[in-house]
Amino acid sequence: DIQMTQSPSSLSPSVGDRVTITCRASQNINNYLNWYQQKPGKGPKLLIYAASSLRSGVPSRFSGSGSGTDFTLTISTLQPEDVASYYCQQSYRTPVTFGQGTKVEIK
Amino acid sequence: QVQLVESGGGVVQPGRSLRLSCAASGFTFSSYGMHWVRQAPGEGLDWVAVIWSDGSDKYYTDSVKGRFTISRDNSKNTIYLQMNSLRAEDTAVYYCARDIAPSGLNIDYWGQGTLVTVSS
Repeated sequence: DIQMTQSPSSLSPSVGDRVTITCRASQNINNYLNWYQQKPGKGPKLLIYAASSLRSGVPSRFSGSGSGTDFTLTISTLQPEDVASYYCQQSYRTPVTFGQGTKVEIK
Repeated sequence: QVQLVESGGGVVQPGRSLRLSCAASGFTFSSYGMHWVRQAPGEGLDWVAVIWSDGSDKYYTDSVKGRFTISRDNSKNTIYLQMNSLRAEDTAVYYCARDIAPSGLNIDYWGQGTLVTVSS
């Protein structure tokens, strides 16, 4: 199975801060990498697909980059509504695997 | 708009069975692959299974192979997850989710989930 390792597991930035979350795959997955946002009690929402493509309707402050084994999700200017957990997911092969998640709270 | 509504969760004893359903609306159901993903309380996301749009292929995570079966009825816009020989470690919120394509591993829409608790 392909292991996905996210870091950090949690962070507490201030509103307006730039936030960066990293995700590393245990093998080359090209750009088969998606990012999801999950708020408490809700199902996840797709933010970024194919490593760097912004899903329609997602604010432009979210961006993704990377290829191969190392990927990054960036929130350029953190807003209060961005408080959530964020997960990366590889879609290169089955079984689909997710990172362990990054919880973002406001300081 | 895309809607996915799961049902069938509840409390069940270890070793027993449960069938989850997911009713889909707002899109051409027969054109999309569908997934089940679960999340244990306080934990991360754990992919369970996928079924292609026409039901021709199904894939499972190792921990449920031989115990769980994913299926779909395109005439009813519904997918199912038959769960047999349930274990305590199967306790989780189970999400139904839509793929972006007929056969793929990229999820774009998720339901709200249904809670399965395996306990004696």
